[in-house]
Amino acid sequence: GAGVSQSPSNKVTEKGKDVELRCDPISGHTALYWYRQSLGQGLEFLIYFQGNSAPDKSGLPSDRFSAERTGGSVSTLTIQRTQQEDSAVYLCASSSGLAIETQYFGPGTRLLVL
Amino acid sequence: TQLLEQSPQFLSIQEGENLTVYCNSSSVFSSLQWYRQEPGEGPVLLVTVVTGGEVKKLKRLTFQFGDARKDSSLHITAAQPGDTGLYLCAGGKAGGGNKLTFGTGTQLKVEL
Repeated sequence: GAGVSQSPSNKVTEKGKDVELRCDPISGHTALYWYRQSLGQGLEFLIYFQGNSAPDKSGLPSDRFSAERTGGSVSTLTIQRTQQEDSAVYLCASSSGLAIETQYFGPGTRLLVL
Repeated sequence: TQLLEQSPQFLSIQEGENLTVYCNSSSVFSSLQWYRQEPGEGPVLLVTVVTGGEVKKLKRLTFQFGDARKDSSLHITAAQPGDTGLYLCAGGKAGGGNKLTFGTGTQLKVEL
């Protein structure tokens, strides 16, 4: 596709359930990022994939959060045993992997944990 | 830990007014980017500045990177309703790949 796509666009779940969020980056982009955004706030870095290198997981808030990127393309962010404080918009971005590059963002997945 | 503080957090102005948004940090960044985000969408890049003291203009928007590369400002002249959105600064560091630290955000509303 022409841009970064994310699915689902909205997700409502119950506390304690696991959720999986998907990101399809721009074709050919080697770098992929996950961020979390609370309502009207800035973005909180979660995890960064660059090519075949080990991912930078320094932003993951707890061991309930994990992410993988299969085949250097699609990425899945998994949140286990969701808590109400996990409610937020989860944004994915991709870039060509060069330094000081534009990050292209998807529309986000709005997660609500009841 | 939020390394980039933006001010003001909220700004509501009338069409035609000028405004400035500030992005401040105690850390030095090798690059500074500004993004605009509209409701239901992801942020979109407006500009990248990499040199201390650098000034870039994009139509009615003027961006400046501080001499010490710790702060930046965004000035909008004669604001229009289409400028409404969430403005985010983001800093990059050398050796950090393209990993960005985002600011706290400034929500701008321009009314007719």
